[in-house]
This record gives sequence, C-alpha cells and structure tokens, in this order.
Amino acid sequence: EDQVTQSPEALRLQEGESSSLNCSYTVSGLRGLFWYRQDPGKGPEFLFTLYSAGEEKEKERLKATLTKKESFLHITAPKPEDSATYLCAVPLGSTGRRALTFGSGTRLQVQP
Amino acid sequence: KAGVTQTPRYLIKTRGQQVTLSCSPISGHRSVSWYQQTPGQGLQFLFEYFSETQRNKGNFPGRFSGRQFSNSRSEMNVSTLELGDSALYLCASSLRKVTEAFFGQGTRLTVV
Repeated sequence: EDQVTQSPEALRLQEGESSSLNCSYTVSGLRGLFWYRQDPGKGPEFLFTLYSAGEEKEKERLKATLTKKESFLHITAPKPEDSATYLCAVPLGSTGRRALTFGSGTRLQVQP
Repeated sequence: KAGVTQTPRYLIKTRGQQVTLSCSPISGHRSVSWYQQTPGQGLQFLFEYFSETQRNKGNFPGRFSGRQFSNSRSEMNVSTLELGDSALYLCASSLRKVTEAFFGQGTRLTVV
C-alpha cells in the first residue's frame, strides 16, 4: 500500500535558523513527488515536483531533494512569512497519475 | 492567468440534506480532482475527472459523486449529509500530461 510519512509533525524555528523537513514514501514505481505549502483556511500552493533520485529544486529559501526512499525540504534562513504547513504527496501507485496520496504535513512556525 | 475557482467558499447544511460544490479549473486544464481535508484524516483523494469521465476514485461511500462538463468545469455532490462530512473540500486541476496539481481555495462545508 502506498504510504507517505512526514516528520516532524510540528517545527518551531527562530528567524534565520535553517532546518529540514522529511518526507518518506513507500510507493511502487514512483511517478513524481510533490511539495505543497498550505496556509490556514486556504488550498495547498504548489512548490516543487521531483521525479528521480538525486534531483534537486530550489525556490527562494526552499530547496527540495529526493532519494530513493525519501525527500527533504530544506529551509535556509527562514522568515516569519515561511510559517505554514508543508505537505508532500505522491501519485497513487496503482491508479492514475493525478490521484495523490498526501502526508499529514509539517506545521512550521518561524518566530521573529 | 486565473487560478482554480471554487464556489461557494462556505456552506452550512443540515444532516440529511444534499450539497453541490462547483469547481472551475485553470484555463486549458482538462483534469479535475477532488479532495477532502479534515483535521483527523488530512487530505484524502475523492475522485478525478478527465474529458468528462471519472478516471479514478478514492475510498469514499457512494454518497459522494461528481461530474465534469465539456468545458472542464466540475461539480461534486454529497447526498444524505452526515456530521462527519464537515470538511474543507478542495478541487485541483492539471494539464493532460503533467501531474502537478494546482488547488483552489476550497469550500468549507459544515454539517449541523
């Protein structure tokens, strides 16, 4: 069964304190891993897609990496506006490519 | 370019009633997926439509249904509402051959 596990569940950082969020997955035949950011009461905002081990993507203070078993979202020198829930997702293995299984998310709080 | 539009943003319904939610995808996107988000279960896949056909379905009872129109707009319907159906319902659209899903702001459904 396809599974996506995120850790930690919650993370509190001081402004400028870099850290990493983890997303581990058990999927037969990975067809992409997606990172989203979600603010309270809003829909998830697409951040990155990773397709193969060793791939890296960057956007401002965020960098996503992928191995054969997990993905990391590195946050460098975060700011308070980076506070949000970060979700990772993979397509369901046995069905279509656009049916996503989401992890439970990491709630990030960055304090000034 | 306009994003994914969901209407209404908020709904309050009584147990036993039915409800219809609407989603207009990004122009040019032909795939529309629906998700349910609750604090306890997180984001869960409901179903996906492409070219007016349901392509994938998640593990939800038959009370949850949907359809897609020729202009790619989609609706989802929940009949015989239960208290547990209270959730944020999210719609996402994708291009035909690209798996990145872009989400709307969601419809917050409260069943009383």
